[in-house]
Parts: sequence; C-alpha cells; structure tokens
Amino acid sequence: IVVTQSPLSLPVTPGEPASISCRSSQNLLYNNGYNYLDWYLQKPGKSPQLLIYLGSNRASGVPDRFSGSGSGTDFTLKISKVEAEDVGIYYCLQTLQAPKMFGQGTKVEIK
Amino acid sequence: EVHLVESGGGLVQPGGSLRLSCAVSGFTFSNYWMTWVRQAPGKGLEWVANINEDGSHSYYADSVKGRFTISRDNAKNSLYLQMNSLRAEDTALYYCVKDERTAYYLYWGQGTLVTVSS
Repeated sequence: IVVTQSPLSLPVTPGEPASISCRSSQNLLYNNGYNYLDWYLQKPGKSPQLLIYLGSNRASGVPDRFSGSGSGTDFTLKISKVEAEDVGIYYCLQTLQAPKMFGQGTKVEIK
Repeated sequence: EVHLVESGGGLVQPGGSLRLSCAVSGFTFSNYWMTWVRQAPGKGLEWVANINEDGSHSYYADSVKGRFTISRDNAKNSLYLQMNSLRAEDTALYYCVKDERTAYYLYWGQGTLVTVSS
C-alpha cells in the first residue's frame, strides 16, 4: 500500500488554518470500522511524535487545534490556527498491512 | 515511564554487518509488537521491519528483505536488528518503536546512527 502526501512544502501564517492531504493506493478502512492511518510530526532534531491515530483520534497531550479526518483512501490533517511551535515535517503512515509505509513528508514552515 | 534505548550503530564498510539493539523498560515488553523505522540523512521516515509479541512472525520492507533480520529476547526486554550485506543507502538513523495494537507508534527511541561507507 502506497501513501502519497501533498503538498510537500507548506508555508503558513500564524493564526491561519492549514491542511495536509494523504492519499492511499488501497482502502485503509478495516472491517472493525477503523481507518489505519496515522499522522506524525517530527520537529528538527527530534524523534517523531504521534498526533493522530486510526484516522481521527487525537493522541494524548496533542492540542485540539489538530484534527484528522477522512476514510478509505483520502485523509486530511488540519490545523485550525497554526502556531509557531507547529513547524516541522508532518508524515502520514498507513498501518493496515505490512510493509507499512510513511508518506513523503510535508515540511511546514512559517512564512 | 516507557524508555527505548538503541545502541550498536557505527561506521561499517559496504557489504559488512552490524547488529542493532534496543533496550526497553516501563512496559511489559512481551505483550507488544515492536518495530524498526529508519531515516536517512535529510530524508523522510522509512518503515523497516516489525515483529510480533513472541517473535514468531516478522515483516520487512522490500528494501531490506533478505538482508536484515529482526528478533527479540523477551527475557532481556530487548529488540534486535541484524543487518547484513549493508549498502550505502542503508546509512540512516535507526529508531526502535513500540507498536500499539499494530496500529500506531506512541513511543520512539532517540535512534542510533548507522553509516555505511568505505
């Protein structure tokens, strides 16, 4: 299963919304009702951190300005109001079947 | 508190071998799948391999299949990655990752750097 992110670069203005798309080559909706698609943020020099799991579930401690949506093959990560600390590279990851695959990454930077 | 500490990285010549280790603490290791993820310098994340709770099943990325072997020792709370026939393109920071329900990765190590160069 191949996942494709867009855009690969996203200049953002603090206080404005932002969104990243992730498309899968196969349906990520399993028969248990969950979409096996996660979102991660990697800040410079740090290990990746989980933002959203199983399509739309916000990880513990993640600000509510982050949200995940979508089902099947099309998914979106939205930031309602970007803050300066949100800069970094965002990755989607399909976990439905091995080999699992990350998207190419979207670099978010402040304009 | 969950801790994942990788070790074993270093400089190795093309064609050589290296064994990475990951020492874990803070959770019942034998109850969880585990995963290796790598990141080449300046590049994105690449899923490498995972292994089930008792080590009886493992899966690999096509890029490493036949060259890398993931294993674990539940008595020692340790995860391993045996890397053979190393290539320049295997140069990367290798992360040990705790697998949650085989669906997401909440805990990551800090990584160990592998450099394949002559």
